[in-house]
Amino acid sequence: GAVVSQHPSRVICKSGTSVKIECRSLDFQATTMFWYRQFPKKSLMLMATSNEGSKATYEQGVEKDKFLINHASLTLSTLTVTSAHPEDSSFYICSARDYRGAGELFFGEGSRLTVL
Amino acid sequence: QKEVEQNSGPLSVPEGAIASLNCTYSDRVSQSFFWYRQYSGKSPELIMSICSNGDKEDGRFTAQLNKASQYVSLLIRDSQPSDSATYLCAVNRNNDMRFGAGTRLTVKP
Repeated sequence: GAVVSQHPSRVICKSGTSVKIECRSLDFQATTMFWYRQFPKKSLMLMATSNEGSKATYEQGVEKDKFLINHASLTLSTLTVTSAHPEDSSFYICSARDYRGAGELFFGEGSRLTVL
Repeated sequence: QKEVEQNSGPLSVPEGAIASLNCTYSDRVSQSFFWYRQYSGKSPELIMSICSNGDKEDGRFTAQLNKASQYVSLLIRDSQPSDSATYLCAVNRNNDMRFGAGTRLTVKP
């Protein structure tokens, strides 16, 4: 299947700092990528849809100014958690759709954020 | 009614048995259906997709789709302890993918 790479896999930061997470599609171009958040033993929660060359589309209740998304190229989307606080600690996962097949979503490895 | 519904489990089966995971969806015009496996602390990985009514087999996995009943299932034959994970059902319509909350499967040695 297609390969989506996410970095960093783990990050620990102090409260008030900003953290950037990268998501790359390694062997295909992705005009659209998706960012999810998952708390322990809970289901995936779609945060936003990242669109190459245009603004991201955020789900209801997700703060645009808090979670900045940039999709500058067909293979890279970034999520920046600005002024992170302990309640932002979570598992963030990106995905991209591979239209060469049945339109499957392939996920990155995930990034575990811990805000102290 | 949730768009994609799964029994949260946990579903427990003995090693070597068949595990049956079920999923129902509300949008009748959904076009394609997917099963993902997620190990604890890891991201989901695609197991298989199915688009047409009937069965689709891939190794020990069989996906079954019944669009009239809005039902999709995943059978795992000869279950192994390594199959213990949460299984996510996903339903796609016009590039809008919706996930179920997942069913936790435990395969006991």
